[in-house]
Amino acid sequence: DAKTTQPTSMDCAEGRAANLPCNHSTISGNEYVYWYRQIHSQGPQYIIHGLKNNETNEMASLIITEDRKSSTLILPHATLRDTAVYYCIVRVAGGNAGNMLTFGGGTRLMVKP
Amino acid sequence: EAGVAQSPRYKIIEKRQSVAFWCNPISGHATLYWYQQILGQGPKLLIQFQNNGVVDDSQLPKDRFSAERLKGVDSTLKIQPAKLEDSAVYLCASSLIMGSYGYTFGSGTRLTVV
Repeated sequence: DAKTTQPTSMDCAEGRAANLPCNHSTISGNEYVYWYRQIHSQGPQYIIHGLKNNETNEMASLIITEDRKSSTLILPHATLRDTAVYYCIVRVAGGNAGNMLTFGGGTRLMVKP
Repeated sequence: EAGVAQSPRYKIIEKRQSVAFWCNPISGHATLYWYQQILGQGPKLLIQFQNNGVVDDSQLPKDRFSAERLKGVDSTLKIQPAKLEDSAVYLCASSLIMGSYGYTFGSGTRLTVV
């Protein structure tokens, strides 16, 4: 799986949009971009994933650049409960043996009042 | 639906003792994973099961760690004997099928080895 690079930490004001970047310059054509987050003392939680088109769900939006070498997770109106570590992961889709999620260090997002 | 259940929530043991963790995945989820998360790091996969068979245990320190999922449902992870560096949160996750995008994680067991 391709490696990802994320900032170690970020701050965001409550009510503002939080934009979390991720670089995945060696991503392959069949690899998806996944985002998970981990709130303190909980297990990671799935947020969103995409291949090349922008995606939106009730939690967030995912913007993938045209060359697919980077992406941005957007939390449109951050709340204090969005304070967490956010993980960007790239992975081939499909039920192959060994095709598991591999986590890096993630970005620690602190939402401040 | 009920989430992934793990127990115990916390465990403190002395080095060289044994410990076991239990996981009950979401009903119907064929794939089960055990991850180890050391403080300040992302989770690291230890072992992956598909039903009651092991798919990948390449990252499992087999000299002291073992895991089983005998009936393809519940799973246990054991450490024997424990070392100080095993202090971590042990997370269990399940997914409907192998390769699914949506893993559901439990809240984990926090192990402290003293």
